[in-house]
Amino acid sequence: NAGVIQTPRHKVTGKGQEATLWCEPISGHSAVFWYRQTIVQGLEFLTYFRNQAPIDDSGMPKERFSAQMPNQSHSTLKIQSTQPQDSAVYLCASSSGTGSYEQYFGPGTRLTVL
Amino acid sequence: QQKVQQSPESLSVPEGGMASLNCTSSDRNFQYFWWYRQHSGEGPKALMSIFSDGDKKEGRFTAHLNKASLHVSLHIRDSQPSDSALYFCAASDASSGSWQLIFGSGTQLTVMP
Repeated sequence: NAGVIQTPRHKVTGKGQEATLWCEPISGHSAVFWYRQTIVQGLEFLTYFRNQAPIDDSGMPKERFSAQMPNQSHSTLKIQSTQPQDSAVYLCASSSGTGSYEQYFGPGTRLTVL
Repeated sequence: QQKVQQSPESLSVPEGGMASLNCTSSDRNFQYFWWYRQHSGEGPKALMSIFSDGDKKEGRFTAHLNKASLHVSLHIRDSQPSDSALYFCAASDASSGSWQLIFGSGTQLTVMP
């Protein structure tokens, strides 16, 4: 079991460019979550999918951010027109949705917007 | 005000000592709690969950939950240098139907050899 896979591990974009982050959940897990981590704001929930359907996007910024889960093996987080304040570590997690509902996190993608 | 508050912000203990971390929720809907640990450059990893009042022990780690006061603690006995990491308390609101976790701001634990 390779765990949650996130690519790329590091991404540098210029202000105004688009960034797409990829997440491959643990095989068989029904839920995929996206979080953002910064020194100032800490760990913040963005959105999550269950059985590929969007369930809760209450943490997603209203503009420029979107997430998709086109199939059970990957999810993407897209940020359009990136701004310096988008610089953060973006974490993907997956859960089997059973037992303690534990979320297993990937290593994160560090996004730097210049 | 953050819904999940952790203390202390940082903690240093000698190797072999006891580390005690605290977490309080300001939302009575938060009934389920987890402790996560994050080493530098990695994603958080769950240490344990606690959903019922009382103590839960897993190896050197003991969590305690008091639902009446919405307080949860984590105690690490016989601390090892490898326990040095950022520790998060996380909570979820079972009544909302959402599985999202609300994280505290973290406690940086340093275990000194």
